Amino acid sequence: EADIYQTPRYLVIGTGKKITLECSQTMGHDKMYWYQQDPGMELHLIHYSYGVNSTEKGDLSSESTVSRIRTEHFPLTLESARPSHTSQYLCASSETRTNYGYTFGSGTRLTVV
Amino acid sequence: GIQVEQSPPDLILQEGANSTLRCNFSDSVNNLQWFHQNPWGQLINLFYIPSGTKQNGRLSATTVATERYSLLYISSSQTTDSGVYFCVRGTSYGKLTFGQGTILTVHP
Repeated sequence: EADIYQTPRYLVIGTGKKITLECSQTMGHDKMYWYQQDPGMELHLIHYSYGVNSTEKGDLSSESTVSRIRTEHFPLTLESARPSHTSQYLCASSETRTNYGYTFGSGTRLTVV
Repeated sequence: GIQVEQSPPDLILQEGANSTLRCNFSDSVNNLQWFHQNPWGQLINLFYIPSGTKQNGRLSATTVATERYSLLYISSSQTTDSGVYFCVRGTSYGKLTFGQGTILTVHP
């Protein structure tokens, strides 16, 4: 059973709304990540964090922002949602000392209408 | 950056059949992983396989780093094997770069 939790699982919202996608992990991992998955399946890194108060933008440009105030919590926020933000968002964490040991959350499927 | 190419893009099998999925990468890679995404979207790490061969039940993986490819073998496939299989390159900073994936459908 995965020890990383994402809420909500599905979200349909109107254009212009502010939303926050929640991600929490109970494994004490320092590294956390947000990936965006297009309908064509490929995942792209949009944000990552190496620890508290550390956040970096990923390989794919995104209008979302993230924060890391606590080790276990890595929320993603969209200040003003648009239809182009419709996608699947996956949160992940990994062990500090190794370059594997990834755990993914179940994802949030966001639809902006 | 390093390109990760997977083949075939789609694969349809009857239950019990064997299959091989391939991943080619454009430059040397010292962190190569295979993931499975089930039809409900959950991603599971199958193998960390920078080189050599590993086996886990009906699945095994081989990476030949000098020739820049990796193979994932699925034997005696089951319907629960359906989903998308990703070949993934990891960096020293922990970030992952995903291939395009292979969609596997196993029919009963």
